[in-house]
Amino acid sequence: QSALTQPASVSGSPGQSITISCTGTSSDVGGYNYVSWFQQHPGKAPKLMIYDVRNRPSGISNRFSGSKSGNTASLTISGLQAEDEADYYCSSYTPITPTYVFGTGTKVTVL
Amino acid sequence: EVQLVQSGAEVKKPGESLQISCQGSGFSFTNYWIGWVRQMPGKGLEWMGIIYAGDSTTKYNPSFQGQVTISVDRSVSTAYLQWSSLKASDTAMFYCAIARHGNYYWDFWGQGTLVTVSS
Repeated sequence: QSALTQPASVSGSPGQSITISCTGTSSDVGGYNYVSWFQQHPGKAPKLMIYDVRNRPSGISNRFSGSKSGNTASLTISGLQAEDEADYYCSSYTPITPTYVFGTGTKVTVL
Repeated sequence: EVQLVQSGAEVKKPGESLQISCQGSGFSFTNYWIGWVRQMPGKGLEWMGIIYAGDSTTKYNPSFQGQVTISVDRSVSTAYLQWSSLKASDTAMFYCAIARHGNYYWDFWGQGTLVTVSS
């Protein structure tokens, strides 16, 4: 099971919106609505930002939103803020071993 | 309050064995899956395997099958990740995370355990 494909980097100015894509296959992203997104600041543990494609855990800003079309999921960050600068990883459930797979990761830079 | 507390950083030599731990509190441990994630220096996240605390059902990423052992001790609400013979390439940060049985997302994470393997 290969890692999901994400762009290596995405950048934007404060206040702008950016979108990170996460491309998999019909065996993972495309087959199930079990895509999650994690934010990871340097030296910190990952933090769940979006689950089940588009749901936000309690306490997560509504500037973060998720969607999916076919085999590609997306994370959109609107009203970009300096604190959003971090690495972002998607993850999907798959009934095929290893059961969960991460994306390759995207570094978000706030210009 | 849900907490996952991982054991402290380790420095080991190649060939040595090691067990790191992840202790949960503030939730019903046996109703959760515990997952282990590796992050090599400067690299991305990789799922190593998951274990259901309720009955110890374990699923390994084929890349890690046979290289590590994942286990739980329900009496102390703790999950373990074990190596019998470390290699330098095992140097990484290791995170545990939990997902409630029936959910497909990992909503709480431990703080991470840094393992350094060097001669």
